[in-house]
Amino acid sequence: QVQLVESGGGVVQPGGSLRLSCAASGFTFSSYGMHWVRQAPGKGLEWVAFTRYDGSNKYYADSVKGRFTISRDNSKKTLYLQMNSLRAEDTAVYYCAKEAGTPSYYYMDVWGKGTTVTVSS
Amino acid sequence: QSALTQPRSVSGSPGQSVTISCTGTSSDVGGYNYVSWYQQHPGKAPKLMIYDVSKWPSGVPDRFSGSKSGNTASLTISGLQAEDEADYYCCSYAGSYTWVFGGGTKLTVL
Repeated sequence: QVQLVESGGGVVQPGGSLRLSCAASGFTFSSYGMHWVRQAPGKGLEWVAFTRYDGSNKYYADSVKGRFTISRDNSKKTLYLQMNSLRAEDTAVYYCAKEAGTPSYYYMDVWGKGTTVTVSS
Repeated sequence: QSALTQPRSVSGSPGQSVTISCTGTSSDVGGYNYVSWYQQHPGKAPKLMIYDVSKWPSGVPDRFSGSKSGNTASLTISGLQAEDEADYYCCSYAGSYTWVFGGGTKLTVL
């Protein structure tokens, strides 16, 4: 079945870096755009970044632009999120989510279980 | 990229109907028919309930329905059941491959 499994979360100091991974299975990874969405403790969902199916274009929320980089390796069926210059407000559960694809590309139909990032000294 | 506005909480008794609103702007909710709704139980990942304003993914009961008028989208849950108690989030495409979520609504089944 379609599955997304995030990893790479942990505790990092302010100003530090972390790279998250999302391993995909059960679908043709290279055919779908992919998102990162985060949820701070006790807060709502926040869209973070999106990459198109081939990684040719990448888009970011203003809150992470210039600090986070989304990328993908279609040969490994893996999505990444490189997070630099981390701040306390980046503390959250980070979910990867799959674009639904044809006929509608504008929603996320499958989500991983998330990985927790804590930014603290 | 301001969050869409949802009521913090709604409640209803089993068998009743509740409606959750989601207000944005002409740049997101009002500008596209690409509103989706997600259900999230505590400690769990979000689950898609409605997409493209009013369409159901397979496996979602038709007790859940969506609509939109102007800059406000709505999710209506009819025939409330205990298992519907959860947080609900709306999400809208906002153009240029960006998305925006609502702040979330906690549904309590009394």
